[in-house]
Amino acid sequence: SQQGEEDPQALSIQEGENATMNCSYKTSINNLQWYRQNSGRGLVHLILIRSNEREKHSGRLRVTLDTSKKSSSLLITASRAADTASYFCATDESDYKLSFGAGTTVTVRA
Amino acid sequence: GAGVSQSPSNKVTEKGKDVELRCDPISGHTALYWYRQSLGQGLEFLIYFQGNSAPDKSGLPSDRFSAERTGGSVSTLTIQRTQQEDSAVYLCASSPRRVQETQYFGPGTRLLVL
Repeated sequence: SQQGEEDPQALSIQEGENATMNCSYKTSINNLQWYRQNSGRGLVHLILIRSNEREKHSGRLRVTLDTSKKSSSLLITASRAADTASYFCATDESDYKLSFGAGTTVTVRA
Repeated sequence: GAGVSQSPSNKVTEKGKDVELRCDPISGHTALYWYRQSLGQGLEFLIYFQGNSAPDKSGLPSDRFSAERTGGSVSTLTIQRTQQEDSAVYLCASSPRRVQETQYFGPGTRLLVL
């Protein structure tokens, strides 16, 4: 079963615009991670936010975490064509298992 | 250094045949994971290795699926008597010690069962 659920399923934006996607989860977590996947191949880790953190930045990425609402958001600012990909949130479902959502597909139009 | 590698990149097989998928994790990473991703879907956890042992095999879809890891390094995922529903991308990942860390993914093996 999937713990994380991303919203929206798909997003299309113009180059230079910001893209925001959300992730909701069901059980308590130690941390939440965001990954990017290009062309259905391997995933690339973007950012990890711990349960005691509320916001984290990495370059053009900003992640927030609200443990009271069991939700997280990923913001990509000033999007580029290279940001076109699927984005997944992942939560530590147990001591050894990460649970991934179905992902948000982002298309950045030139 | 070298990342996680997987072979083959693509595999086409006939229904009923056995296939072996290989994963070479990052050197020194003790934790290794196998996932399956069907078209347009998220990742389905299959199995986790800590060293050579697999504490949890419950994610394996059926007894046709098995995995092993030797020498705390290379892992092989074997699917016996493949079925069409086994068609998917099989992804391997490794991390230094445990799941509460960044996982480094290989490029995946795209399996097509005809």
